[in-house]
Amino acid sequence: AQTVTQSQPEMSVQEAETVTLSCTYDTSESDYYLFWYKQPPSRQMILVIRQEAYKQQNATENRFSVNFQKAAKSFSLKISDSQLGDAAMYFCAYRSIGQGGSEKLVFGKGTKLTVNP
Amino acid sequence: SAVISQKPSRDICQRGTSLTIQCQVDSQVTMMFWYRQQPGQSLTLIATANQGSEATYESGFVIDKFPISRPNLTFSTLTVSNMSPEDSSIYLCSAKGTGGWTEAFFGQGTRLTVV
Repeated sequence: AQTVTQSQPEMSVQEAETVTLSCTYDTSESDYYLFWYKQPPSRQMILVIRQEAYKQQNATENRFSVNFQKAAKSFSLKISDSQLGDAAMYFCAYRSIGQGGSEKLVFGKGTKLTVNP
Repeated sequence: SAVISQKPSRDICQRGTSLTIQCQVDSQVTMMFWYRQQPGQSLTLIATANQGSEATYESGFVIDKFPISRPNLTFSTLTVSNMSPEDSSIYLCSAKGTGGWTEAFFGQGTRLTVV
């Protein structure tokens, strides 16, 4: 079974600075998807960024980028120019791909990000 | 993308009673999922709701406790039966579209408190 580990229960960053959230995972599959979701106090899970494992190029979405290290099974999220609205719980998630793979998401325990003005 | 509406957004229930949570998607989706998020914890999948067939439950979750319906491609319900305070959680509905690696979308969740 796949597992996802987020080793930082809490992180803080100054507004306009850069912060990196860590995520590692364990799987025997060669192809899969990885996601970062954001959950603000409203409880709505919002997709931040996604990465397909066979793609070597790191995904980027505006101020959000990932450092995907497949051999190390690492998938960190970098938030540049942090804004007050970035404050939320961030969850790293894994999903299988391909025939016979489960469509469910396996989540890490989350990292609470605080943005200080 | 898909917009998912979940009702109720919150409820306080007496132990021993049941609550049905509704999940409506604004487009047809192949798969719908129900997750539980206990206080301060991550999301754990309860079951996958398949249209026209029985839901598939994850280890530790049973149909008698969490019956699920999926009458069509846009709607699903989750019932939390015979509730106890340990069932106090956020319950989230999620849906996934067809093909490829379309990401899962989430409803806003139902915050359930059992007293």
